[in-house]
Amino acid sequence: AQTVTQSQPEMSVQEAETVTLSCTYDTSENNYYLFWYKQPPSRQMILVIRQEAYKQQNATENRFSVNFQKAAKSFSLKISDSQLGDTAMYFCAGIQGAQKLVFGQGTRLTINP
Amino acid sequence: DAGVIQSPRHEVTEMGQEVTLRCKPISGHNSLFWYRQTMMRGLELLIYFNNNVPIDDSGMPEDRFSAKMPNASFSTLKIQPSEPRDSAVYFCASSSQGLAGNEQFFGPGTRLTVL
Repeated sequence: AQTVTQSQPEMSVQEAETVTLSCTYDTSENNYYLFWYKQPPSRQMILVIRQEAYKQQNATENRFSVNFQKAAKSFSLKISDSQLGDTAMYFCAGIQGAQKLVFGQGTRLTINP
Repeated sequence: DAGVIQSPRHEVTEMGQEVTLRCKPISGHNSLFWYRQTMMRGLELLIYFNNNVPIDDSGMPEDRFSAKMPNASFSTLKIQPSEPRDSAVYFCASSSQGLAGNEQFFGPGTRLTVL
């Protein structure tokens, strides 16, 4: 992806609720990969989920799933049954060219007890 | 598995000094990436290597920045001379096979403060 945009600087939900983080991207490539990374206060970057553009099925990893809308160039992350440990910055990212990761601005997610 | 190792974790230096950040990728990974994270610009790729060879350094901000990878298990990012605007968190990441979509594993980062 050449540009990645996250329009929600901050979000806050109660524990056990479901939350959706938005991401849009722009690319001229036919096949590409999209990612969601989590950065907790420890600042470690952790891969949450990955989607390959030519796969129509949305990726799922336990409580994390994506809604990939290729025509709309939208790639949102849904977190079900949110937990306190999900509190973190979340970055949407896309691969540009062969390997370059391009990141969005991030969404600061807070899970409240 | 030790993961990607970066040193130092924190560095405070004065403007004009040389700064060297170090990275040890995960054993067996053949791609290495240097990123910079700031509040203003977010996460940016500075440079990446495949099989110890620099592939794309278009993200390196100025000639004051240089990166080397003398072997498969070690890389450095050097800033000389450093300036206050270089203050940021610098991440190193590695991946295997250099294929698009392969997960990049990030190190813990080095927080650099230039006074």
